[in-house]
Amino acid sequence: AQSVTQLGSHVSVSEGALVLLRCNYSSSVPPYLFWYVQYPNQGLQLLLKYTTGATLVKGINGFEAEFKKSETSFHLTKPSAHMSDAAEYFCAVSVNSGYSTLTFGKGTMLLVSP
Amino acid sequence: DTAVSQTPKYLVTQMGNDKSIKCEQNLGHDTMYWYKQDSKKFLKIMFSYNNKELIINETVPNRFSPKSPDKAHLNLHINSLELGDSAVYFCASSHARLEQFFGPGTRLTVL
Repeated sequence: AQSVTQLGSHVSVSEGALVLLRCNYSSSVPPYLFWYVQYPNQGLQLLLKYTTGATLVKGINGFEAEFKKSETSFHLTKPSAHMSDAAEYFCAVSVNSGYSTLTFGKGTMLLVSP
Repeated sequence: DTAVSQTPKYLVTQMGNDKSIKCEQNLGHDTMYWYKQDSKKFLKIMFSYNNKELIINETVPNRFSPKSPDKAHLNLHINSLELGDSAVYFCASSHARLEQFFGPGTRLTVL
């Protein structure tokens, strides 16, 4: 069975600083990996995904993530944080077991201070 | 032009009541899901339907019954509501193993 670990339930950065949200996964087969963002009282919105091919993937709002198989990681980064980036971020893994099932991490709340 | 919609957005009810949440997607996807998000924001899959057929049924009390009248709709009926059912319920859809698109959620409060 697959699993996802997100290090840090809360991450605080200053506006303009680098954002780094960590995600490690466990999977016995090649995974598909996703980052979702959830703003308060809203649903989840896809930021980016890795399926196959290029290991550095770019998403919306200036976010990117790199799939590192040797480290079983898929960390999310953004060079410069904006106040509007404050939200809950979820890493998720999907494995090809016939049908798609998403297993989510416990989420990381990103706090951005002026 | 909403992709995945849910109704109602808020649902407040008494213990013991029966309630339903409706979900519709206009993306032409073949797979739909129900997730429960608890008070700590943890998301857990409850059910998944592919082409109207139940394919995932996690350990969920049998008071919860999904119904898929067609590929675009997946409803969730809950019998005999309990305090512990209070949560946000999200519907999602996808095509095969590709990314899932989520609805805005239904916040259920059981008093």
